[in-house]
Formats: sequence, C-alpha cells, structure tokens
Amino acid sequence: EAQVTQNPRYLITVTGKKLTVTCSQNMNHEYMSWYRQDPGLGLRQIYYSMNVEVTDKGDVPEGYKVSRKEKRNFPLILESPSPNQTSLYFCASNQGGLGTEAFFGQGTRLTVV
Amino acid sequence: AQKVTQAQTEISVVEKEDVTLDCVYETRDTTYYLFWYKQPPSGELVFLIRRNSFDEQNEISGRYSWNFQKSTSSFNFTITASQVVDSAVYFCALTYYGQNFVFGPGTRLSVLP
Repeated sequence: EAQVTQNPRYLITVTGKKLTVTCSQNMNHEYMSWYRQDPGLGLRQIYYSMNVEVTDKGDVPEGYKVSRKEKRNFPLILESPSPNQTSLYFCASNQGGLGTEAFFGQGTRLTVV
Repeated sequence: AQKVTQAQTEISVVEKEDVTLDCVYETRDTTYYLFWYKQPPSGELVFLIRRNSFDEQNEISGRYSWNFQKSTSSFNFTITASQVVDSAVYFCALTYYGQNFVFGPGTRLSVLP
C-alpha cells in the first residue's frame, strides 16, 4: 500500500530536549516536505527536499532541521524544542512536477511543556 | 507571494442541506494548480481534487462539485445533500511545481443530523 509513515503519532516532551520525528515514504517520490498545522493558520511549510541531499527552507524553518540521506526518509529534528513548537506536524511526499498532488502522513501531535 | 484565503472559519448545516465552501487565492504565476483536501476528525489529510489554471471547466463528482473562476481568483467547493460523514475541516491549497503547497486556514464544516 502506498503510504507516508510518520512516527511517533503523539509526543510530549520538555523544553530543550532534542527530538526527532521520522518520516518514510514507499512511493519512490522525489519531493518530501514537512508542514505544521496550527489553528486558524492552516498548514505552513517548514522545510522541503527535492532530492537526496537537497533541502531548502519553507515558510517557517526557525528551530527545525532536516536531512535527506535516503530518498525514502526525511526526518524532522528539533534540536532545542520550545513551547511555541507545540503543533500538529505533517510529512508529505509527491512525485514532483507540475501540479502533482501531495500525499500526507498521519500527523504527529507534539506538545512541548 | 502566494496566498489562499478561506473566509469561512466554521459552517454548520443540517443534514441534506447544500453547502458551499469558499476559496480565494492570490498568485503572480500564470501556471498554477489548486487543490482541495479534507481533514476528517481522525486527522489525516485526504486529497479531493486538483485543477490547473488553464482549465476553468467546472467539475462534478457525485455529491461534490467545484467552481473555478479565474476572473475572480476563486475555487469554490459545493457539497450537495450534505451528510454527517462530510463533517471535517476542508483546506484549499495552491502550488506550482509541487515543492511548496500554500494552504488556506481551513473551513470547519459540521453537518448535524
């Protein structure tokens, strides 16, 4: 089954404790992205990757890191989480090219206390 | 800069009523793609439709229909004879090449029995 898999689904952590949210896709897609969803703001892009070792900032990259060492994986790293990073996070992948739809993971609800 | 506006924050209707969700977008690109995604209470994002900027033909799929008007930069979504299972948050989104989707803030639709 074609899918984007994120882990964990839920995470509660304390301020400053480094964490990683994993994302994997099995569709051999070129593009992968991370978004955060906040009430009243919709989804905003954090980082995206157009290929292995190629990443770029989205609209809200501060406080986040990513890496793309393999085509299928695109982890999101919070080196020093803060309460304002409490949000619902989505990983997405798409083939790339004009108008290709994005496939989303199930979401990770992160709470930073 | 690209922007998507969904002016309706929340809508409540009674089952079997028709409901239209509004989406207005801004972009300087002449080629672009518009999407609607559904987010049911379970939280995942479900792709509904894609429309490119050169195709203003309206589309009907079962109880769903979409009205794309380039002259008013709008891409509205109508559900006919709404059902309780239509209750969800609906997002309108805009992209060019798929590396970055710009989402609207979403409209929460509640269909009451």
